[in-house]
This record gives sequence, structure tokens and C-alpha cells, in this order.
Amino acid sequence: SQQGEEDPQALSIQEGENATMNCSYKTSINNLQWYRQNSGRGLVHLILIRSNEREKHSGRLRVTLDTSKKSSSLLITASRAADTASYFCATDASAGNTPLVFGKGTRLSVIA
Amino acid sequence: DGGITQSPKYLFRKEGQNVTLSCEQNLNHDAMYWYRQDPGQGLRLIYYSQIVNDFQKGDIAEGYSVSREKKESFPLTVTSAQKNPTAFYLCASSPIRITNTGELFFGEGSRLTVL
Repeated sequence: SQQGEEDPQALSIQEGENATMNCSYKTSINNLQWYRQNSGRGLVHLILIRSNEREKHSGRLRVTLDTSKKSSSLLITASRAADTASYFCATDASAGNTPLVFGKGTRLSVIA
Repeated sequence: DGGITQSPKYLFRKEGQNVTLSCEQNLNHDAMYWYRQDPGQGLRLIYYSQIVNDFQKGDIAEGYSVSREKKESFPLTVTSAQKNPTAFYLCASSPIRITNTGELFFGEGSRLTVL
């Protein structure tokens, strides 16, 4: 079962522009995480936001969480060619004892 | 260096053969996971283990088997019963158990191709 769904599926921007990716989920959560995957590689954790938090920053990353809308957004500011990757949101359901569930991801291309 | 090591990175298999993917971690993590990723898709959970000698099925466990005899090792066997095994397989671990899910640490993946 896939809890999170990212939007858009693919995004292409110029270097220096901001990139925004969205994630929607279905059930109540404890936390939501964002991961990055370079082509053919493993995933790398970027940031975790808990259900009682609304916004979190880490370097050029800004994550928001709206639990009333069951949605989150990841903003990458001043993008660089090296930011080209796929980005996934992952959620853990607050009810039950279940592992993280990943969405299908947003493929970001940053053009130099 | 601490981390998760998956091997082999690339593997080719003939139809009808079983194959085992290795996953080793030296992070002293309790929980370990296997995910499958198909092109342009997200990750789907195959199996996970929270403690030695215990594991649970994920969403797509059919045709796969695992063992957790040691804390640092969680091998995945893709059996001949798996009808469409060609995929990218990712192993992950986390320092705490499922009840308070935290960050996952991933290996670099194993790409299996069935000829």
C-alpha cells in the first residue's frame, strides 16, 4: 500500500530557481520524512517533520506539514545541478506498528 | 566506516533459479528492511525485521524469503516462485523499532535481472 503520493511526478527547472514538491497522504501519521535518491543509488534521508510541527528548515530545504489537509511540501531554494535526483516522501501511520511507506517520488531535473 | 553494505551490486539470474542478496550493517541497528523498486516507481516493502530471529511480511512478500540469524545481517532470497523478479532491491536499517519510526539508512542497492 502506498500512503504518500508526490506531485508533480517530474519537475524541470533552471539552476538558481526554487523547486517545490508536494506529498499527500491518507491516514494519520506520527511523522513524515523526505528522502533523496540519485539515479541507481540508495536513498538518503533529508529531513523529518513530526505531526505536531508545521515547518522545518535544514540548509536550503524547507518542509511544511499540514495535518488537516494531510499534505506536506518540500522546497529547495536556489537549486543547483547537483540537486538533480528523485525525491520521496515517507510516512508512518500513527495507528499500529507499521514501517515507513514511501510514495512514488518526484523526479527533479535542474538544468545548468 | 559505518554503514550498510549490499552485495552484489548487479546480478543476473536464469529463470527458475533462486538467488540470495546480501545485506550487512555495522551500525548496531535493531530494525532492518527490504524494499523493491521498479522503474519510475516508489519503494514497496518486502520484509522487515525488528529483532534477531523475528521478521514480518511486507506488502509484496510472495516469492521472497528472509532470515535474521544475526543482528547485523538480513539476507533476502528471491525464489523461483517470484514471477517478476527483475528490479532494484534496497536494504535499509534503523536504530529504533517500528513503534517509533525514525530515519532509515539505506544501502546502495542490488540490481537483479532475470534472463
